[in-house]
Amino acid sequence: DLVMTQSPLSLPVTLGQSASVSCRSPRSLVFSDGNTYLSWFQQRPGQSPRRLIYQVSNRDSGVPDRFSGSGSGTDFTLKISGVEAEDVGVYYCMQASHWPWTFGQGTKVEIK
Amino acid sequence: QVQLQQSGPGLVKPSQTLSLTCAISGDSVSSNRVTWNWIRQSPSRGLEWLGRTYYRSKWKNDYALSVQSRITINPDTSKNQFSLQFNSVTPEDTAVYYCVRGVSGSLDFWGQGTLVSVSS
Repeated sequence: DLVMTQSPLSLPVTLGQSASVSCRSPRSLVFSDGNTYLSWFQQRPGQSPRRLIYQVSNRDSGVPDRFSGSGSGTDFTLKISGVEAEDVGVYYCMQASHWPWTFGQGTKVEIK
Repeated sequence: QVQLQQSGPGLVKPSQTLSLTCAISGDSVSSNRVTWNWIRQSPSRGLEWLGRTYYRSKWKNDYALSVQSRITINPDTSKNQFSLQFNSVTPEDTAVYYCVRGVSGSLDFWGQGTLVSVSS
């Protein structure tokens, strides 16, 4: 199984500042159809995961534009531009280019 | 808007069968555009994809190798839902179980989660 590696695992941030989460794959996530199936999820305390980003950089409906995804091949980044209190939670990347689909171990974002 | 409502017991005895159901609203279990997945989450394993069922001219299933000998996922078209059966459970199967819709190489809508504890 493809092991997705996130860093950092813990990310204390000041309100209003930016935060970045890295996700790395040991193999390219470019699928045979040319798409890259890398998604990002947010899990607030006590809630189910919620998808924020799909195919690297496509934001889901209703997701604030302070969330953005970027990257290619094996290296991907989720950026939060101007962290708000409601952004506290754990963020996961997930790859669906190789079978079986696998998740990163999660990055906990908290307010300093 | 798609909604997934999970039901099932929160406590299962070791060696018995874990059974959960996921009722779908806002989509059809028979849709040929999506897949219907079960994922679990535990402190030791993190988020782990278990398996899926989907319809592409006929019903198909895919299961994670780590659990494929113990798991069955079935659609129920009469009730527009799908189910998870997990046999011979041990305390290591204690986790929060989620049903999730899959579409275009991602997972978009998640159920509320069911904490299942395996204990005598």
